[in-house]
Amino acid sequence: AQKITQTQPGMFVQEKEAVTLDCTYDTSDPSYGLFWYKQPSSGEMIFLIYQGSYDQQNATEGRYSLNFQKARKSANLVISASQLGDSAMYFCAMSQLTFGSGTQLTVLP
Amino acid sequence: NAGVMQNPRHLVRRRGQEARLRCSPMKGHSHVYWYRQLPEEGLKFMVYLQKENIIDESGMPKERFSAEFPKEGPSILRIQQVVRGDSAAYFCASSPQVGANVLTFGAGSRLTVL
Repeated sequence: AQKITQTQPGMFVQEKEAVTLDCTYDTSDPSYGLFWYKQPSSGEMIFLIYQGSYDQQNATEGRYSLNFQKARKSANLVISASQLGDSAMYFCAMSQLTFGSGTQLTVLP
Repeated sequence: NAGVMQNPRHLVRRRGQEARLRCSPMKGHSHVYWYRQLPEEGLKFMVYLQKENIIDESGMPKERFSAEFPKEGPSILRIQQVVRGDSAAYFCASSPQVGANVLTFGAGSRLTVL
């Protein structure tokens, strides 16, 4: 069975600062993928970044990077230079099937 | 090049009625996933379908819920005899092939059961 844990129900960050959203996971599968999605107040789910379990390097997509520590089973999302539009719910997910409970990020002006 | 289209966006039903939610995947995508999101919670996987096949329905409630993805037309999630606990947002996502890394989500259908 797979499990995703997001321990931060809410986070605040000052505009232009960096923020890290935590995600830990548990799985017995030898190969898996980790995803982060953004859900703004309008409700749609927006794909942000993907990390494969065998990828040698941490994934990056613009201001998003994934701090993947396989031994610790963590896949934290780092958002650099936060913008007001980054305020949203952020979900960590594994292999399309298992989602965490989310972290509500609020960017302060 | 439309994305994943879900309709209706909002649906209100009374207890005991049926709800039908439709999902048209992105052009070229033949795999569809359905998820349910209860208020203040994350997404829960329900079912994964390929055209004319249910691949994984491990997240579907055993009763009242069914899903199909016919050869022609959208995928349909059907909830019979709805109860208040079925009130949720139902998201559909599609991918071009099995094992694809990225899903494209629809905007969701919000079901309210009175």
